Amino acid sequence: KNQVEQSPQSLIILEGKNCTLQCNYTVSPFSNLRWYKQDTGRGPVSLTIMTFSENTKSNGRYTATLDADTKQSSLHITASQLSDSASYICVVSGDYKLSFGAGTTVTVRA
Amino acid sequence: GAGVSQSPSNKVTEKGKDVELRCDPISGHTALYWYRQSLGQGLEFLIYFQGNSAPDKSGLPSDRFSAERTGGSVSTLTIQRTQQEDSAVYLCASSSQTDSYEQYFGPGTRLTVT
Repeated sequence: KNQVEQSPQSLIILEGKNCTLQCNYTVSPFSNLRWYKQDTGRGPVSLTIMTFSENTKSNGRYTATLDADTKQSSLHITASQLSDSASYICVVSGDYKLSFGAGTTVTVRA
Repeated sequence: GAGVSQSPSNKVTEKGKDVELRCDPISGHTALYWYRQSLGQGLEFLIYFQGNSAPDKSGLPSDRFSAERTGGSVSTLTIQRTQQEDSAVYLCASSSQTDSYEQYFGPGTRLTVT
């Protein structure tokens, strides 16, 4: 069973709107949680990294939250742009191995 | 400086053939990882190299898969006697340290086994 579950699997939003992606994990021990953005045909690019003691981190219009007690994280995209269309992957690290979620595919339409 | 590079970007091969995928990590990065991304699936860890330590091969799906890292830099992932289920995007990443440090991904090699 995958130790990192993401929802929704995909979503479509209108340009300028906000959206929130969810990530639940069971990875233990926990070191950090990362959100990556993967454009079609490209490798993943890091958006945020949060350790156990951090509960929110922002990168421009992207804001990630972490609740280490409930083992949940969210990625909020504000004022979406067409360039936000991509797959967003939640990655949890215990030791040097990373556990990847299957990703949420976001499509932003004009 | 340059990021992680991988070659080829696309590879189509016949079932039963051997393939070699190459990864050039960021200069100075001691850790190198190989992952596989199948259609609609999350990334799957394959193998991890750290400096001169013995690699962690625990993610390799079968003995048809092997990888080496020469001189602590360039890495080659070899798949022998390819099968159709090997079709996937193979991603390489490198980092300056383990785990807590940022992993930088290459663009991947899309392997199609016909």
